[in-house]
Amino acid sequence: EPEVTQTPSHQVTQMGQEVILRCVPISNHLYFYWYRQILGQKVEFLVSFYNNEISEKSEIFDDQFSVERPDGSNFTLKIRSTKLEDSAMYFCASSGEPQGIEAFFGQGTRLTVV
Amino acid sequence: DQQVKQNSPSLSVQEGRISILNCDYTNSMFDYFLWYKKYPAEGPTFLISISSIKDKNEDGRFTVFLNKSAKHLSLHIVPSQPGDSAVYFCAASPSQGGSEKLVFGKGTKLTVNP
Repeated sequence: EPEVTQTPSHQVTQMGQEVILRCVPISNHLYFYWYRQILGQKVEFLVSFYNNEISEKSEIFDDQFSVERPDGSNFTLKIRSTKLEDSAMYFCASSGEPQGIEAFFGQGTRLTVV
Repeated sequence: DQQVKQNSPSLSVQEGRISILNCDYTNSMFDYFLWYKKYPAEGPTFLISISSIKDKNEDGRFTVFLNKSAKHLSLHIVPSQPGDSAVYFCAASPSQGGSEKLVFGKGTKLTVNP
């Protein structure tokens, strides 16, 4: 069964450093997403990406965040200068439909900012 | 701003009995609703969905009921099995064009006791 894969599974970084979280979405999907879940809180939408551009982003997704689909298979989330409050599980997801999406999620990357 | 609410953080049931997980929403623009199951250290896994034009959708042991007038949906699992023990997230999709973000509830941790 096709799946969304994320690397690394765990990333520890120092405050102020840049991190790149990587995702390989399901190959025939067209819509890509990043969500995050701070420990003990709900899963929150960060950004959606379609046709090589951002479709929608939340207020969490400020100038420190960027996304890229550099080679047609990978989908990356970059945090330019990490803050302690960026520590969370980051989930990549992809879907093939624009309406009534059934997004398939990766296993997540646990980001710890120290 | 809790547009999707799961008021029960946890639920415990006996194996073989029915599990009922509840979800309320506030945004009238939501027109597609999904349930995801999440095990520790894994990403959310899609379980079942329902469109706002329906009031019930069934898939094996899982049934989702939607009451639009009450802005309420529920997930029934019958019979419950120990392997169903997980966190269940209710999610809703706004009625917009293009890629659809998901708005998640905080989740309900279901424990099915043997």
